[in-house]
Amino acid sequence: DTGVSQDPRHKITKRGQNVTFRCDPISEHNRLYWYRQTLGQGPEFLTYFQNEAQLEKSRLLSDRFSAERPKGSFSTLEIQRTEQGDSAMYLCASSSYTGDNYGYTFGSGTRLTVV
Amino acid sequence: SQKIEQNSEALNIQEGKTATLTCNYTNYSPAYLQWYRQDPGRGPVFLLLIRENEKEKRKERLKVTFDTTLKQSLFHITASQPADSATYLCAPRGVSSGSARQLTFGSGTQLTVLP
Repeated sequence: DTGVSQDPRHKITKRGQNVTFRCDPISEHNRLYWYRQTLGQGPEFLTYFQNEAQLEKSRLLSDRFSAERPKGSFSTLEIQRTEQGDSAMYLCASSSYTGDNYGYTFGSGTRLTVV
Repeated sequence: SQKIEQNSEALNIQEGKTATLTCNYTNYSPAYLQWYRQDPGRGPVFLLLIRENEKEKRKERLKVTFDTTLKQSLFHITASQPADSATYLCAPRGVSSGSARQLTFGSGTQLTVLP
C-alpha cells in the first residue's frame, strides 16, 4: 500500500457532461475526505466519510455533486452537468482514527478541465 | 466568517537562512493547527501538528509556534535548502459542528530558497 491513489490524473470534458473520479485511500484508514483546489488557493473541503457513512458535506457541494464510499474502501466523486467553474484539482485524502496526530495523507489529485 | 491569512507575498530567501512563514486566523478557535508542504501538481504532504495547549513543536529543521492570544502560528525552516522550495499551507481545525469542524486551509505561502 503506497499511499492514496486517484484516477484519472487528468480529465478534460465538455461543459454539460458528467464525470466521475475515483479515490483509493490507504487501506487501514477509515476516514476519507474530498477537497477541491483552484490555482493560487488552498484546498477547500467538500465532503467527509467515516467508513461508508458520509458524515459531512460542505455548502460548496451543490446538487450536481455526489460522493459515495460503498464498502468503506474506495470512494467516487461524480459531477453531473459540468460547468466551467468546476475546473479545478480534486484532491482525496485519508486518515486513521488517530489521524489528528498524523495529519491527512493526500493523493496527487485529479485535474479537471471543463471546456 | 472564519478566515485564514498566510504571507500574501511569495517569500524568497538565501540558502542557509531561516525562513519564517506566518499564518493568522480570525473568527474561530482551532483545537489544533497543521502545516503541509505542497509541490506543483501534487497533493499536500503533512509536516507538523501543534495543539492549542502547545506553544512550540519541532521536527528536524522545522519549528512551529502557536499563539492563541495573537491567533497566529509561525512556521520556521532553519538552514534552508533549495529543496525546501515549495508552497506551505497552514490548516487550523475548528471545534464547531458540521463542515466548519473540518480542516480548513490557508491559500499558502510560496517559498523559494535561492542557492
